[in-house]
This record gives sequence, C-alpha cells and structure tokens, in this order.
Amino acid sequence: QKEVEQDPGPLSVPEGAIVSLNCTYSNSAFQYFMWYRQYSRKGPELLMYTYSSGNKEDGRFTAQVDKSSKYISLFIRDSQPSDSATYLCAMRYSGGGADGLTFGKGTHLIIQP
Amino acid sequence: EAGVAQSPRYKIIEKRQSVAFWCNPISGHATLYWYQQILGQGPKLLIQFQNNGVVDDSQLPKDRFSAERLKGVDSTLKIQPAKLEDSAVYLCASSLSRRDTEAFFGQGTRLTVV
Repeated sequence: QKEVEQDPGPLSVPEGAIVSLNCTYSNSAFQYFMWYRQYSRKGPELLMYTYSSGNKEDGRFTAQVDKSSKYISLFIRDSQPSDSATYLCAMRYSGGGADGLTFGKGTHLIIQP
Repeated sequence: EAGVAQSPRYKIIEKRQSVAFWCNPISGHATLYWYQQILGQGPKLLIQFQNNGVVDDSQLPKDRFSAERLKGVDSTLKIQPAKLEDSAVYLCASSLSRRDTEAFFGQGTRLTVV
C-alpha cells in the first residue's frame, strides 16, 4: 500500500460545478497537509496547506483534513476553465528529521466551458 | 521576486550516458529539494539540502545519482550512467527554512533516455 493514495482521474465537470478532490493516507505521523496545482509542463504551485485536522477556506477553495479517517479533501466552488490542471495532495511530518513532501499521484481535472 | 530557475528545460540522452541538471533557488532560501516526477506520478523526493549540507538522501539511487550544493546556493544533480527508467521531470524546489511550509518549485527539466 502506498503512503498516499489519490485517484488520477481524469475528472471532467461542467463550468460552475463544485469539485471534490480527495486523498487517503496510511501514515498517522503526517501533520502538514497541502494541495498543489500543476499546469501542464509547469512545476507544482502551492494552493493551500492545513496543519493537523480541520478546515481552511481561501476564496473558492476549501481544504479539509480528517485525521481520524486519514482522509483529506479539496473543494473548488464555482469552478472555472482556468482551474483545469492536475491537483496533487502532499503531506509531511512535523518537526525533526527530513522535511520533504510525500505526494499523491495527482488528479487530472478538466472544467468544461 | 525571481522564482526557482532550472536548466536545461529539456534533455534527450542515450542510456549509459551522463547528464547534469542545474538549479538556482530563490535568493535567501536555505532549503533546497530535488524531486523526480515520472509521467502520471506525483513528485518523489530524491534529496534535501539545508544550506550546503544533506538532510535526507534516503531515496536517492546513490549508485548512479549524485547531487551537490557547494556554496549553499546553486545545486546540480547528476546521473551517471542513465537508464531508461530515469526518464522523468526533475524538479527543484526551495523554501526559506526547514520550518517553512511553502516550497516553491521550478519548471523542471524533462529528461528522456532512449
């Protein structure tokens, strides 16, 4: 079992729809949870991060972390064609040792105009 | 603020040849990462530097991969000899410090081994 599981999609939705992207993980030592967006032939860019459990909202984006279920989500409201990209979840440990991110495979999202 | 610069953008080599990638992180960023992203996969950490010291290289195939960050600024990643399975995008990222949550990524170097 991989440490981080993410459905690669593609996920295709009409413009204006609410999008739900999810990841599950197996290592309970993860404390920081991030969502990165990656456009084709570009590097990933950080969208949101959450420390431990809870929700975080930023404009049209909401990130949720449920540590008891080892499940994280990203919701996109009023989706736009410009949101079409690959969305990567990523996680890291808290303090001490290495700080590198463990990524999911990424979900390819297509917003149809 | 200038972003993370990587070169070259693309490289095609034959198997068993050697190749080197260069990364210039954001000015003042002490932490530098190299990731390997195989097509259809998420990035996988190869090595992490704090200034010019190695923090984590547990996933670096040390029989063929090497990396250095001599003056705590620029970094190079080398593969020698290359294998077909090394075909991937090599991403460099930097962050202000180890405690900094946000890592900024470069555009990557796309390597094709034929």
